[in-house]
Amino acid sequence: DGGITQSPKYLFRKEGQNVTLSCEQNLNHDAMYWYRQDPGQGLRLIYYSQIVNDFQKGDIAEGYSVSREKKESFPLTVTSAQKNPTAFYLCASSIDWVEPQHFGDGTRLSIL
Amino acid sequence: AQKITQTQPGMFVQEKEAVTLDCTYDTSDPSYGLFWYKQPSSGEMIFLIYQGSYDQQNATEGRYSLNFQKARKSANLVISASQLGDSAMYFCAMREPPRSGNTPLVFGKGTRLSVIA
Repeated sequence: DGGITQSPKYLFRKEGQNVTLSCEQNLNHDAMYWYRQDPGQGLRLIYYSQIVNDFQKGDIAEGYSVSREKKESFPLTVTSAQKNPTAFYLCASSIDWVEPQHFGDGTRLSIL
Repeated sequence: AQKITQTQPGMFVQEKEAVTLDCTYDTSDPSYGLFWYKQPSSGEMIFLIYQGSYDQQNATEGRYSLNFQKARKSANLVISASQLGDSAMYFCAMREPPRSGNTPLVFGKGTRLSVIA
């Protein structure tokens, strides 16, 4: 079955630690996205990539980094510079910018 | 300025009744698209329905329909014959053409729908 796989489902970060959230898709989509969702809030865009080896900052990119070395993969690193990383992180992909985005099941990140 | 406004933080509806979830948007671009997503308590985002700004007819998908009023800049989601499984958060989102500084998809803050048996 085609889809988007995010791992891990739950992640805990210690102070000063970088952590990486995985996002893999087998939908052959060119565009991929990372969102952050805080309780009771909508989704805010962190980073997006429209093609391999290219990505753009979204609305809240500070404290995060990404790479897009393969079409299927778009990992998100939450760096120690992100002072309030506790949130629900969703990865999405789409054929292009006009088509509906398809989402993974998300990763819940908490601070230890 | 907020681009997507969902004014109803929470809504209740009786099972088998219809319910309308409100969404207004703000854009000066003549070309845009509007999406509705459902988010159950498990967290995944499920795409429900899409309306393009040039579409002549209101979009429909099964029990979901979109009441698109372009002049009022509103795109309300109508769910007919509500089911208990419809209880979830519902998000309205808008995309504009990709220009410098445009966010690919902007989400509202959502409406929590509770279906009562």
